[in-house]
Amino acid sequence: AQRVTQPEKLLSVFKGAPVELKCNYSYSGSPELFWYVQYSRQRLQLLLRHISRESIKGFTADLNKGETSFHLKKPFAQEEDSAMYYCALLFSGGYNKLIFGAGTRLAVHP
Amino acid sequence: DGGITQSPKYLFRKEGQNVTLSCEQNLNHDAMYWYRQDPGQGLRLIYYSQIVNDFQKGDIAEGYSVSREKKESFPLTVTSAQKNPTAFYLCASSTGTGPPLDTQYFGPGTRLTVL
Repeated sequence: AQRVTQPEKLLSVFKGAPVELKCNYSYSGSPELFWYVQYSRQRLQLLLRHISRESIKGFTADLNKGETSFHLKKPFAQEEDSAMYYCALLFSGGYNKLIFGAGTRLAVHP
Repeated sequence: DGGITQSPKYLFRKEGQNVTLSCEQNLNHDAMYWYRQDPGQGLRLIYYSQIVNDFQKGDIAEGYSVSREKKESFPLTVTSAQKNPTAFYLCASSTGTGPPLDTQYFGPGTRLTVL
């Protein structure tokens, strides 16, 4: 079955520290993976997708098919990075459904 | 912002009442989706629609109903049969073309509380 696991409910770091938000997936096909972010009082928005191999706001994520992981990383956290982060897997079996992880709240302290 | 709007922002319902949540998009997207967001559970798909006059059940459709009479609109009705309707409801839309470039864009959400 398709599944996305984010093992940490809360990740608390100090400003300037490295950040890694973990995401593991279970999917028999070729995965399409995304990170979405929800800042306080704002709508859920796409942060990045693995296929674009891009860096957004200093965040990167590499797909590791061997470990079935798609961890989100940033070398130096900023206070404005504090938000809820969701990893999502696109299931395209006849329709395009996003399967979300439970989310990780990132708190960056000054 | 813009593109996808949801109303109302807050909604209160008495037990036994049906309520309808509005979702409108002006992105010319074919596909629309309804998700429910609960603390600690991420987002779960309620219903989705790939084209006008067609929709399919998602993972937690029981107690909900939808319609898709217009491309721009995808209202969700929370019926009295939904046992635990208090939640944050998110609407999304996408081109529906599928991977690799299909992206879902989300509305601001409606918070429903049952009194």
